[in-house]
Amino acid sequence: GAGVSQTPSNKVTEKGKYVELRCDPISGHTALYWYRQSLGQGPEFLIYFQGTGAADDSGLPNDRFFAVRPEGSVSTLKIQRTERGDSAVYLCASSLLGTRSGELFFGEGSRLTVL
Amino acid sequence: GDSVTQMEGPVTLSEEAFLTINCTYTATGYPSLFWYVQYPGEGLQLLLKATKADDKGSNKGFEATYRKETTSFHLEKGSVQVSDSAVYFCALSPGTASKLTFGTGTRLQVTL
Repeated sequence: GAGVSQTPSNKVTEKGKYVELRCDPISGHTALYWYRQSLGQGPEFLIYFQGTGAADDSGLPNDRFFAVRPEGSVSTLKIQRTERGDSAVYLCASSLLGTRSGELFFGEGSRLTVL
Repeated sequence: GDSVTQMEGPVTLSEEAFLTINCTYTATGYPSLFWYVQYPGEGLQLLLKATKADDKGSNKGFEATYRKETTSFHLEKGSVQVSDSAVYFCALSPGTASKLTFGTGTRLQVTL
């Protein structure tokens, strides 16, 4: 497809389990972002990749969260030992030019529910 | 740190009414400013942007002017339609980092 694709669209897991969320960006976009959106809040920045490397991971809340982009395209957000507070919609976005003058294209998100 | 403050919603208007959604920001340097919109069941999408002071962004009848003196980027539309019902997010990108900081969003509901 032409847009940013995220899977799964919904994930329900139990406290303490491990979760992976996948993002397939628009072809050719070198910049990739992960955001987290809690109910009634705006998206909160987690991490930004330029190519294969994490250019800015200052938004990752703790060491249970980790993201990779090994070939500079698809990215996976990994959450270990999930907690109920991790429940949110995880958004992925990609961009050709980054945020300064370019546009971020968002996927529809992966809704994570931790029971 | 950088932050964005938006007026709380929901905002309920009749079709053809005038819309203003207030947005103010705090940032060092010279950020770029954006409005993103999220229609029901869809992902966030860029509505308009302005990259420097006094620039006016416009799209689909919506406008916003980058006011450095008041650190504001208020969204306006002269005549809203039912199809404009969505959640609107104001956001900024600082000059020194490639990421967006979002406001909490304002839900707009337009009725016939």
